[in-house]
Amino acid sequence: GENVEQHPSTLSVQEGDSAVIKCTYSDSASNYFPWYKQELGKGPQLIIDIRSNVGEKKDQRIAVTLNKTAKHFSLHITETQPEDSAVYFCAARNAGGTSYGKLTFGQGTILTVHP
Amino acid sequence: NAGVTQTPKFRVLKTGQSMTLLCAQDMNHEYMYWYRQDPGMGLRLIHYSVGEGTTAKGEVPDGYNVSRLKKQNFLLGLESAAPSQTSVYFCASQTGVRFDTEAFFGQGTRLTVV
Repeated sequence: GENVEQHPSTLSVQEGDSAVIKCTYSDSASNYFPWYKQELGKGPQLIIDIRSNVGEKKDQRIAVTLNKTAKHFSLHITETQPEDSAVYFCAARNAGGTSYGKLTFGQGTILTVHP
Repeated sequence: NAGVTQTPKFRVLKTGQSMTLLCAQDMNHEYMYWYRQDPGMGLRLIHYSVGEGTTAKGEVPDGYNVSRLKKQNFLLGLESAAPSQTSVYFCASQTGVRFDTEAFFGQGTRLTVV
């Protein structure tokens, strides 16, 4: 089955700096890669996603890049703000066969943005 | 516009007790999932359902049972709780089989087994 590794486990930055979180996956058939943000006491919420036929996607201050050959994808947050502080999860999905839309998650990154 | 609602939000159980976690969604989604979240391990899939009356095992199903008698509800049961089941449980739902469909999560249930 799919295995997703996420690094770093914790990331501390100053407000205004950039933050980068990296994930690798093992199943070359995975074709959908979402990123979730989880605030304290809440459930994960989708912030951006990328499909396997796209190399990069940007939405305001956040962007995701995908390297299918190397099987890794990254989340980039620019001009970080204190409200970006949260736990971020990457995930991978193989929509084919008997996967039934299941997501495999990385271990999570605790991002802290200091004012 | 509730989305995915989990009940209860918090619970403390004694070892050996049983309980049921309820997940309700109002988006008419076919697929529903139960995950558990433990520190440093991300979210791991316990059981899932691809439609009313169907259930299947995920990555860590032992010690749990599920039922999907109604399309909008997905129940997770612990027959005899163990301290290893102390975790935060999340329910998610999504529509259909389209590969890029978004999964929506509930707010979680924090369970402590003592």
